[in-house]
Amino acid sequence: DTAVSQTPKYLVTQMGNDKSIKCEQNLGHDTMYWYKQDSKKFLKIMFSYNNKELIINETVPNRFSPKSPDKAHLNLHINSLELGDSAVYFCASSQAGNYGYTFGSGTRLTVV
Amino acid sequence: TQLLEQSPQFLSIQEGENLTVYCNSSSVFSSLQWYRQEPGEGPVLLVTVVTGGEVKKLKRLTFQFGDARKDSSLHITAAQPGDTGLYLCAGGSGGSNYKLTFGKGTLLTVNP
Repeated sequence: DTAVSQTPKYLVTQMGNDKSIKCEQNLGHDTMYWYKQDSKKFLKIMFSYNNKELIINETVPNRFSPKSPDKAHLNLHINSLELGDSAVYFCASSQAGNYGYTFGSGTRLTVV
Repeated sequence: TQLLEQSPQFLSIQEGENLTVYCNSSSVFSSLQWYRQEPGEGPVLLVTVVTGGEVKKLKRLTFQFGDARKDSSLHITAAQPGDTGLYLCAGGSGGSNYKLTFGKGTLLTVNP
């Protein structure tokens, strides 16, 4: 009965590899997001999708490609991973507008 | 770029003490939200305030939105060890491209 679930929880990979993180929400929300939390705990938005359409792309390198097959899913694919990509990535969802977000439990990505 | 400054960055207090966390910006937000994040988990929404001057209470937590909708505060009365966590404020803006901009957080430790 998890509201926003993302997999995997942990991801350790070598530089140059390509990896994906999956996210699913069962709340019926219209909007989904990807946020990156750095080592200082700062959360920064990367992408936002509303009903499968990209509405926010916050100056993220084009090695990062989100994909939303339907409004309940938002996946994140990362090409040619770099050391600086190491962080915790959070998926979240909300109803459109001034509503609170429901976050997943995060994916800790470590690039070695 | 909209920025939210949170203070203090770190706070360590004894059980039973009161505390206030501040969230300030030079920008106007359509809403202000507070989240609490525990280690290894995603942020969890505590409250959303949308009206300038609004005050909301959640048990021992009191949230206030500034009259000009540029700042907010979180006051905790008689803190308990269970209140320990990272408190994040987030300002909402963008109309149809609504997104949350997060502050850098206040790490609260309540010692028994």
